[in-house]
Amino acid sequence: DSGVTQTPKHLITATGQRVTLRCSPRSGDLSVYWYQQSLDQGLQFLIQYYNGEERAKGNILERFSAQQFPDLHSELNLSSLELGDSALYFCASSARDLGPHEQYFGPGTRLTVT
Amino acid sequence: AQSVTQLGSHVSVSEGALVLLRCNYSSSVPPYLFWYVQYPNQGLQLLLKYTSAATLVKGINGFEAEFKKSETSFHLTKPSAHMSDAAEYFCAVSDRKGTGANNLFFGTGTRLTVIP
Repeated sequence: DSGVTQTPKHLITATGQRVTLRCSPRSGDLSVYWYQQSLDQGLQFLIQYYNGEERAKGNILERFSAQQFPDLHSELNLSSLELGDSALYFCASSARDLGPHEQYFGPGTRLTVT
Repeated sequence: AQSVTQLGSHVSVSEGALVLLRCNYSSSVPPYLFWYVQYPNQGLQLLLKYTSAATLVKGINGFEAEFKKSETSFHLTKPSAHMSDAAEYFCAVSDRKGTGANNLFFGTGTRLTVIP
């Protein structure tokens, strides 16, 4: 158990809908990362937050957004969903935002868009 | 941008045989390098990381990796494979620069099968 929790575990929704994925980092970790894992694209970095502020952006679509709240949990919002958004979404956390600090991964949320 | 290339999407070894999973990085400056393992239906777990303290890095579960700057490689090895090593392995790189974020760029993964 990494200490990172993600809810829900599974999500099935229809095209055009909007969903919210939730992540709670390990106790004491200030940095949260979101990654998408799909058969087509592999594991891709989406976005990073550090202590409530956006720190880095990767291949995140404009239809996707995220935020980190004062209690440090984070939410990834996916809107106008398309079939191609079906993937495993991982959240990871680390103590800091820079340097080779280990990232601890949650179990992921499997999103299926039908 | 940082990137890593994993050679071989599938590797099969016999139980007790040497495990060798290949990873090459592309960077003009030696980056931070990581190996993660993903078991079925689970998240990723860090096996080991290279941060320039030592070129031979020992990780969990008997795995180790050697950083070779001349070959821009960071191959993962284990002397004797166990059935429990069957999983997907990802090599990853992150920015070494102090001004950059440390998000990870992953390779495409290598699925390791261990044959009894």
